[in-house]
Amino acid sequence: GQQLNQSPQSMFIQEGEDVSMNCTSSSIFNTWLWYKQDPGEGPVLLIALYKAGELTSNGRLTAQFGITRKDSFLNISASIPSDVGIYFCAGRGQGAQKLVFGQGTRLTINP
Amino acid sequence: DSGVTQTPKHLITATGQRVTLRCSPRSGDLSVYWYQQSLDQGLQFLIQYYNGEERAKGNILERFSAQQFPDLHSELNLSSLELGDSALYFCASSVGLLNTGELFFGEGSRLTVL
Repeated sequence: GQQLNQSPQSMFIQEGEDVSMNCTSSSIFNTWLWYKQDPGEGPVLLIALYKAGELTSNGRLTAQFGITRKDSFLNISASIPSDVGIYFCAGRGQGAQKLVFGQGTRLTINP
Repeated sequence: DSGVTQTPKHLITATGQRVTLRCSPRSGDLSVYWYQQSLDQGLQFLIQYYNGEERAKGNILERFSAQQFPDLHSELNLSSLELGDSALYFCASSVGLLNTGELFFGEGSRLTVL
């Protein structure tokens, strides 16, 4: 079945630093999405990507849909305390009815 | 607030028991998805319903079953519970058949099996 490898699994950074995480797939996806999960909450969509090569920003967040359609990355610039949480990549294949999620990247920020 | 409601928020039960988790999707959403999140694990897709019909199935155990009712709420039934079933169970909904890929998640039901 489809699998997503997300890295790193965890990050410990200082406030103000930039963050980069990525996701790779063993198969091609037509849609890549990035979600964030705050403690005690369900995941919330941050950015959606629908075209290979697409680069999309949402405030301090930037994500790209890889040219090969098998990878995506998410960058967070100038991190702030509220960026703490678990970030998930998710992908959907052609005609698929489900999203496949990565294992998540747990972000911790030291003030 | 995503608009997706899940109950109960917390549930503690014993091995061998059966529980039912309930989900009310966002108003107007026809699709409901169930995901399982174990400790330090990603979100594992269990099953999807669209307008009352099963549309996709993931690695859902035979001990688990689900359904979507005419009013579009959904229930996930977990039976013969084992310790390893302890997890956070999320329900998510979307307007249609995942056209944009965006899912709206509830806050989850945390199941602890002792």
